[in-house]
Amino acid sequence: GAVVSQHPSRVICKSGTSVKIECRSLDFQATTMFWYRQFPKQSLMLMATSNEGSKATYEQGVEKDKFLINHASLTLSTLTVTSAHPEDSSFYICSARGVGADYGYTFGSGTRLTVV
Amino acid sequence: DAKTTQPNSMESNEEEPVHLPCNHSTISGTDYIHWYRQLPSQGPEYVIHGLTSNVNNRMASLAIAEDRKSSTLILHRATLRDAAVYYCILRRAGSYNTDKLIFGTGTRLQVFP
Repeated sequence: GAVVSQHPSRVICKSGTSVKIECRSLDFQATTMFWYRQFPKQSLMLMATSNEGSKATYEQGVEKDKFLINHASLTLSTLTVTSAHPEDSSFYICSARGVGADYGYTFGSGTRLTVV
Repeated sequence: DAKTTQPNSMESNEEEPVHLPCNHSTISGTDYIHWYRQLPSQGPEYVIHGLTSNVNNRMASLAIAEDRKSSTLILHRATLRDAAVYYCILRRAGSYNTDKLIFGTGTRLQVFP
């Protein structure tokens, strides 16, 4: 089945630094990838949609300059949290969509970001 | 985005069947019904999806009402490993701007031994 690999699984960084999270589709090409964040005991919130070779589309209220998304190839999308602050601490999850109307979405295992 | 309504939580005993309901009264003709589940500290896992007809796979069954305004995810024999948050999501396929998964609050399923 389709597999999405997300790294790192956990990261702790100092306030003011930047952190990059990678999302790779291992056995299929994903023209579209999605980034979510999830706070404790809450549901997933869609942050942005990224398409290979073009700019990401951000959901309302998500700061595009803070959450930089790059989707340079059909199998890799990255999310960079710039100038991280403690309130950015969260569980970040990526998802990749295959080709075709009936193709499902596959999710990565998530990245736990803690900003200290 | 068409919305879904699910109970916040449900309980079941191991080995018993579980019926997880979902209401989606504003569903449109091109919306697929998707179910995902999320275990603690993991990404969501695909369970099943359908459009109009009932669907079965190795994990579960999906029963879709004739008017498509509601659906039920059926776990035939709950195990402790099925304890998770289950999300019912409508996916509007075919359009670049709307083909994405918007998560609601989901149903937290507890399974007791």
